[in-house]
Amino acid sequence: EADIYQTPRYLVIGTGKKITLECSQTMGHDKMYWYQQDPGMELHLIHYSYGVNSTEKGDLSSESTVSRIRTEHFPLTLESARPSHTSQYLCASSVLLNEQFFGPGTRLTVL
Amino acid sequence: QQQVKQSPQSLIVQKGGISIINCAYENTAFDYFPWYQQFPGKGPALLIAIRPDVSEKKEGRFTISFNKSAKQFSLHIMDSQPGDSATYFCAASSGSNYQLIWGAGTKLIIKP
Repeated sequence: EADIYQTPRYLVIGTGKKITLECSQTMGHDKMYWYQQDPGMELHLIHYSYGVNSTEKGDLSSESTVSRIRTEHFPLTLESARPSHTSQYLCASSVLLNEQFFGPGTRLTVL
Repeated sequence: QQQVKQSPQSLIVQKGGISIINCAYENTAFDYFPWYQQFPGKGPALLIAIRPDVSEKKEGRFTISFNKSAKQFSLHIMDSQPGDSATYFCAASSGSNYQLIWGAGTKLIIKP
């Protein structure tokens, strides 16, 4: 079944740890996005990719980095987590008409 | 000019009533206006979308009304049900720019 997956769903981690949030989609979409969202609040675009080996930063300044080595995979990495990184991270993909399909999100808590 | 302003921030409607959420934009280059629905603990999901060549689009109980001259569009939920309780986001994008510009969201509560 075509879908978009995010792991882990929940992560509690200590300050200074390196973390990678995984995002994979089986829809063959060329465009992928990472958003940061505090629960129920507005979405902030932090990274996007329009294809393999193409990544750009979004509107919200972020200390995270992304890579796009395969079409279906778009991981987000935080080299050194801080409490200010506590939030929900949503991955999305799209192909036509700007319709974005979202994964279930990763709820990150940094202690 | 890139902003999409959404109101109200929160809305309480009685079961069976009409829920109305409004959005306004400035960028006249926007040509795609979707509404997303998000339940707690889930990612947003596309509910309905419209392009500026029509003034209204209806899908079941959900209707988008679009006013090009006023640069406004709104979501109407007819016969609102408790299961419609969620956060709703409007958004807009233009042409070849595949990024969506998001509204701030409206938390809708339907009281039984």
